Amino acid sequence: SQKIEQNSEALNIQEGKTATLTCNYTNYSPAYLQWYRQDPGRGPVFLLLIRENEKEKRKERLKVTFDTTLKQSLFHITASQPADSATYLCALAITGGFKTIFGAGTRLFVKA
Amino acid sequence: DVKVTQSSRYLVKRTGEKVFLECVQDMDHENMFWYRQDPGLGLRLIYFSYDVKMKEKGDIPEGYSVSREKKERFSLILESASTNQTSMYLCASSQWGEQYFGPGTRLTVT
Repeated sequence: SQKIEQNSEALNIQEGKTATLTCNYTNYSPAYLQWYRQDPGRGPVFLLLIRENEKEKRKERLKVTFDTTLKQSLFHITASQPADSATYLCALAITGGFKTIFGAGTRLFVKA
Repeated sequence: DVKVTQSSRYLVKRTGEKVFLECVQDMDHENMFWYRQDPGLGLRLIYFSYDVKMKEKGDIPEGYSVSREKKERFSLILESASTNQTSMYLCASSQWGEQYFGPGTRLTVT
């Protein structure tokens, strides 16, 4: 069956360190992969999109890598801050991009 | 600035009631989506629409229907609400890739 897996355990890191979140998928041929941030009680907010032919994408302190051979994406937040504490969702776009499948998310806590 | 609004933040309905959730976007996007989000399960796609009057079933359409009469508005209908439809409902719109989400409606069916 088709699956997207994100680490269900919360990630706790110290302020200033780099947070690395993992997204693994099986049985998909994604057109592209996205990362979203979600705060409690709110809708997800788009962060980054990376296409199947791209290896890496950066935006300010954020970096995403995409390995279609390993079927894995890594999401990095450098110089993390307490304000980065949130749930981060990985999402794959398939079927011409109309249909997007979301992972369950990984909760990140950044301690001051 | 991009905006997606949903008709209610919190809603409490009784079993068997017909429930309407409305979503409006002001970005002239072609695509609109309805998801539900439950702890540990992530977002699951109920229905999506890629044009006015066009709709496609998502992964969990049973017990739901949708309506898109105007480009900016996408409605989710629970024909006869049941307790297992208690959830957070999220609407989103997109034009190409990234999706823009509304604030969500937390629906409780008692």
